[in-house]
Formats: sequence, structure tokens, C-alpha cells
Amino acid sequence: EDQVTQSPEALRLQEGESSSLNCSYTVSGLRGLFWYRQDPGKGPEFLFTLYSAGEEKEKERLKATLTKKESFLHITAPKPEDSATYLCAVQANRRGSTLGRLYFGRGTQLTVWP
Amino acid sequence: DAGVIQSPRHEVTEMGQEVTLRCKPISGHDYLFWYRQTMMRGLELLIYFNNNVPIDDSGMPEDRFSAKMPNASFSTLKIQPSEPRDSAVYFCASRGQGWYFGPGTRLTVL
Repeated sequence: EDQVTQSPEALRLQEGESSSLNCSYTVSGLRGLFWYRQDPGKGPEFLFTLYSAGEEKEKERLKATLTKKESFLHITAPKPEDSATYLCAVQANRRGSTLGRLYFGRGTQLTVWP
Repeated sequence: DAGVIQSPRHEVTEMGQEVTLRCKPISGHDYLFWYRQTMMRGLELLIYFNNNVPIDDSGMPEDRFSAKMPNASFSTLKIQPSEPRDSAVYFCASRGQGWYFGPGTRLTVL
């Protein structure tokens, strides 16, 4: 069964304290891995798409990496405004569908305090 | 671009009533998705459309749920009759380079 697991469930960091969020997946036929940020009361906001092992993407203090079994979202010198829930999703092949399905993890709730 | 637009943003209704949620995708996006988010189950795909045609509705919980996309700029998700366990945030998303989500409709069924 296709699965996406994120860890930790919650992470508290002091401003400037770098860390990483993990997304591990077991899917048949990975077509893409996505990272989203979700603020309370809002929809998920697209951050990155990764397609193949070894690929990396960066945006400001965030860097996403991908291996064959997991992805990491590295946060360098975080600020309080980085506080949000970070969601990982994988797009997997599905019989009869040209697009595949997008499976979401439960997310990591990140809190960055000053 | 205005992004994905959903209405209403909040809906409170009583059990047994019909509820209709609306979505306007980003112009030019040919895929539209309906998701539901709850604390217990996270984000779940309910149904998605390609070029206005329903492709995969295996996530629709039961016959009380139905979705339509009469044209490329509008979709509805209907629940009839609604039940308290339908209370959740319902998101519409459209696909370009990634999946772009709307702000969601928070549904409360009393």
C-alpha cells in the first residue's frame, strides 16, 4: 500500500537553529514528490517539486532533497515567520490514470520562537 | 492571477441539509481536485477531473457526495444529506507545475 510518513510530528526550534524535516515514502512508481507549507486557516502553499533521486531545490532558507526512499526539507537559520505545518506529498502511478494520485503525509508542525 | 477561488469560506448547516461547495480553478489548468482535511485523517483526495471529465472518484466517501465540473472554470462538490461526520475543511486544487490549493471551505454540520 502506498504510504507517506513525515517526522517529527512537531518541531520547536529557536530562531537561527537549523534542522531538517523528514518525509519517507513507499509507493509504486514515484512520479514526483512535493513539499507544501500550510498556515493555520489557509490552503497548502506549493514550495517544491522533486522528480528524481539526487535532485535538490532551494528557496530562501529552505532546501529540499530527494533519495529513493525519502526526502528532507532542510531549514537553515529559521525565523519565526517560518512557523507553519510542512506537508509532503508524493505523486504515484495508478492503473487507469495518466496522472496518478497525490498522497499526503500528516505533516510536521514547525514552531520557531525568537 | 487570483489563484484558486472557493466559496463559501465557512458553512454551518444542520444534519440532513444539502451543502454545495464551489470552486474556480486557475485559468489554463486542466486538472481540478477536491480534497478534504481533518485532524484524524489529514488531507484526502476525494475526486479529480481532467478537462472537465471525472477521472478518479474512488475517494468519494459515499453516495451522499457528488461533484460536477460543467466547464473549465467552475466545479461544485455537493453533499446531500449532510452528516456531522462530514465536518472538515474542503479544499479545491488545480494543477499547473504543481498542485495549487484554494483557501478552503470550513464545513460544520451540526
